[in-house]
Amino acid sequence: IAGITQAPTSQILAAGRRMTLRCTQDMRHNAMYWYRQDLGLGLRLIHYSNTAGTTGKGEVPDGYSVSRANTDDFPLTLASAVPSQTSVYFCASSDGLSGTDTQYFGPGTRLTVL
Amino acid sequence: GQNIDQPTEMTATEGAIVQINCTYQTSGFNGLFWYQQHAGEAPTFLSYNVLDGLEEKGRFSSFLSRSKGYSYLLLKELQMKDSASYLCAGVDSNYQLIWGAGTKLIIKP
Repeated sequence: IAGITQAPTSQILAAGRRMTLRCTQDMRHNAMYWYRQDLGLGLRLIHYSNTAGTTGKGEVPDGYSVSRANTDDFPLTLASAVPSQTSVYFCASSDGLSGTDTQYFGPGTRLTVL
Repeated sequence: GQNIDQPTEMTATEGAIVQINCTYQTSGFNGLFWYQQHAGEAPTFLSYNVLDGLEEKGRFSSFLSRSKGYSYLLLKELQMKDSASYLCAGVDSNYQLIWGAGTKLIIKP
């Protein structure tokens, strides 16, 4: 692995189903982030983690949960998907904990909730 | 409220120069990022400015004026591969990134 990976690449999901988006980085970065990107809107932060074992809420956390059991993995779970969660989801990581550190993004997961 | 404004779309000609502007209103300010995002791909880092002035990196330069709440990204000698969206993001007083919606740059031959 080189950098940050996400799975699946894309997914079509029925409303009400549970879904976990996976994110793994091999850069030993401390901080990790989940964003959603919708047409006409900027990237919006869902949840973040400054270090393994800690997580925090971003701008749009409702309907999503995360965990950070170790440095490398940061899964995002939709407990009961709704159509408004149709979006492209990007995972990112940064070495430091400051917002001034460069963030490195994964390739994204395109999720459609019907 | 916090806000990042940038044009939705711009068109330029191959070989020319284009300037993409970004104005920001954030609670406090700890710098400004520019990222490039090709269609269907992840954003990638271009530049970070925290001090006033122009920083040059090859064909790309980024400018910041803190007093005016203004930045621009300057792309010279445009190539077709520069067709992408360019995202501006300000860092607020809590060191959180506030993202603009991005400027889609179309390069024509």
